[in-house]
Amino acid sequence: QSVLTQPPSASGTPGQRVTISCSGSSSNIGSNTVNWYQQLPGTAPKLLIYSNNQRPSGVPDRFSGSKSGTSASLAISGLQSEDEADYYCAAWDDSLNGHVVFGGGTKLTVL
Amino acid sequence: QVQLQESGPGLVKPSQTLSLTCTVSGGSISSGSYYWSWIRQPAGKGLEWIGRIYTSGSTNYNPSLKSRVTISVDTSKNQFSLKLSSVTAADTAVYYCARDRRKTINLPVTTYVIDYMDVWGKGTTVTVSS
Repeated sequence: QSVLTQPPSASGTPGQRVTISCSGSSSNIGSNTVNWYQQLPGTAPKLLIYSNNQRPSGVPDRFSGSKSGTSASLAISGLQSEDEADYYCAAWDDSLNGHVVFGGGTKLTVL
Repeated sequence: QVQLQESGPGLVKPSQTLSLTCTVSGGSISSGSYYWSWIRQPAGKGLEWIGRIYTSGSTNYNPSLKSRVTISVDTSKNQFSLKLSSVTAADTAVYYCARDRRKTINLPVTTYVIDYMDVWGKGTTVTVSS
């Protein structure tokens, strides 16, 4: 059972906009910023969004993040076939001396 | 640019200690305000953060693994290491090392943490089996 809650799956057709939610609590998302990682099949995770809505260099602006209260969302617009991957949210949790918590991951399928 | 590479035995017997090393190249492990993390992923499952170390030696661990985990750093070799004791089949996973950037923002009415892993190794598979 992951500390952060994500839907196990999401899907969309090319060109569509999809969103993936991430729900937490006051000790993690409610208190700190949220990051999103993309994991393409057979590869290591890659930082996609940090500090709620910041994109690292090289990440297309089709990817955007937002946070409100104890929840966060990742939006992907202009969906492309290469976006098919697993997406994980993560945040620092202030409880128990502090630690990183992840969501269970959302498998995005491009139909 | 900084690159990370995990190394260590791919097979560990139950009850023994899993030991992995992450070698940092393209930059000094001591430069900048970075933490150095370990994360694992059982086959077909999600990511689990194991813990991290700052070059001063300060550590944070996943509360669920804390009693079995030790993370250390060797700045002379530009490496950091993971030891996980008393392993079982449940510890079988791909183990990743990552660079962790952290900043604490102090505002007049609140304080919050920006904390993210921006560079990852390719991962190494560890199987626990007799």
